[in-house]
Amino acid sequence: KQEVTQIPAALSVPEGENLVLNCSFTDSAIYNLQWFRQDPGKGLTSLLLIQSSQREQTSGRLNASLDKSSGRSTLYIAASQPGDSATYLCMCSNSGYALNFGKGTSLLVTP
Amino acid sequence: EPEVTQTPSHQVTQMGQEVILRCVPISNHLYFYWYRQILGQKVEFLVSFYNNEISEKSEIFDDQFSVERPDGSNFTLKIRSTKLEDSAMYFCASSPSGPTGELFFGEGSRLTVL
Repeated sequence: KQEVTQIPAALSVPEGENLVLNCSFTDSAIYNLQWFRQDPGKGLTSLLLIQSSQREQTSGRLNASLDKSSGRSTLYIAASQPGDSATYLCMCSNSGYALNFGKGTSLLVTP
Repeated sequence: EPEVTQTPSHQVTQMGQEVILRCVPISNHLYFYWYRQILGQKVEFLVSFYNNEISEKSEIFDDQFSVERPDGSNFTLKIRSTKLEDSAMYFCASSPSGPTGELFFGEGSRLTVL
């Protein structure tokens, strides 16, 4: 069974800092890995999808990397802003239809 | 931009009552999912649905739960006899290509069982 772990569980940084969120998974036979953002009491917003054949994806200030062999993905946020404050979730898609989430990293960017 | 919509946004019910949560997936998507998130905990998989049948379900999805796609646009989750521990946020999601594709979530339905 796929286990997804996200470190750190919580992170607080001052505005303007670059930061890295980590996701690790136990079963490297994934189809893809997806990063989401969740604001309090809200749904999940897709940020980036990395297919298993890709090494990274970029969208604006966000860059996600994937290293299947080591079972790791990172989400890099450049020049953080208070509006980036949210919980960031990593999800792995394996064979079968259940999609496995980590517990998330709660990010606070202070002005 | 197409989106997954869910109703109701919040439902309060008495223990033992039946609840139906509704979802309208993105129109050209073929794979549908229900997840739940108990307050402060991780997002948990309940069930996936493809080609008008359940393709996978978790241990959480017991006989009290059922899903249906009654009319080609709606996708519903029914809880037959709610328990206190069913209180959670329930998320519907859809994907154009199942486990190989991008997943899109609705805003969720908050269920409170008293």
